[in-house]
Amino acid sequence: GAGVSQSPSNKVTEKGKDVELRCDPISGHTALYWYRQSLGQGLEFLIYFQGNSAPDKSGLPSDRFSAERTGGSVSTLTIQRTQQEDSAVYLCASSLGGVTANSPLHFGNGTRLTVT
Amino acid sequence: DQQVKQNSPSLSVQEGRISILNCDYTNSMFDYFLWYKKYPAEGPTFLISISSIKDKNEDGRFTVFLNKSAKHLSLHIVPSQPGDSAVYFCAASGSFGNEKLTFGTGTRLTIIP
Repeated sequence: GAGVSQSPSNKVTEKGKDVELRCDPISGHTALYWYRQSLGQGLEFLIYFQGNSAPDKSGLPSDRFSAERTGGSVSTLTIQRTQQEDSAVYLCASSLGGVTANSPLHFGNGTRLTVT
Repeated sequence: DQQVKQNSPSLSVQEGRISILNCDYTNSMFDYFLWYKKYPAEGPTFLISISSIKDKNEDGRFTVFLNKSAKHLSLHIVPSQPGDSAVYFCAASGSFGNEKLTFGTGTRLTIIP
């Protein structure tokens, strides 16, 4: 079946502009995560959605970052007034329900964001 | 505060030999651990996992060892193959699901033919 799909695959934007990144999780997966990987760094947790529960936003680096998940499926990560330090690969992942032995995270190929 | 640490940013191993990737963690509440493999321009893919009730889990050429008292885990790949060249991430989570994965910074493994 189809995996996690992210769009666009690449995005170049000017400093100060807003950007929206989209994630289509695997059908039936109730948990959805956003991570980012800056150059030479590990994967940094941003936000986590699980079913109808309030999202875990503890990883969002500033109030310029927000995310929503509509209808328990598609998610959009929005970065307002982008800064050069926002340049990174933004990765979306989904799982059947949280992290368990039977539901590891499945990642998309990411959106590479470059802020000039 | 880096709760999951991979202290070796890179590792080179001869084809056919054993590759050993190491990971240390500081949070004693972690009890589920995973290894992911990442190729350039692709998302990480799940490789193998282990829960804290075990000290070893094996899947084909891949074995993960967990030492809870030392807060240390390792991934063994034997025999190593050229296709194993990738970045390997260690990750950890709390129990009962619904917990975010905390990742290490990764180790770039290069298999030398």
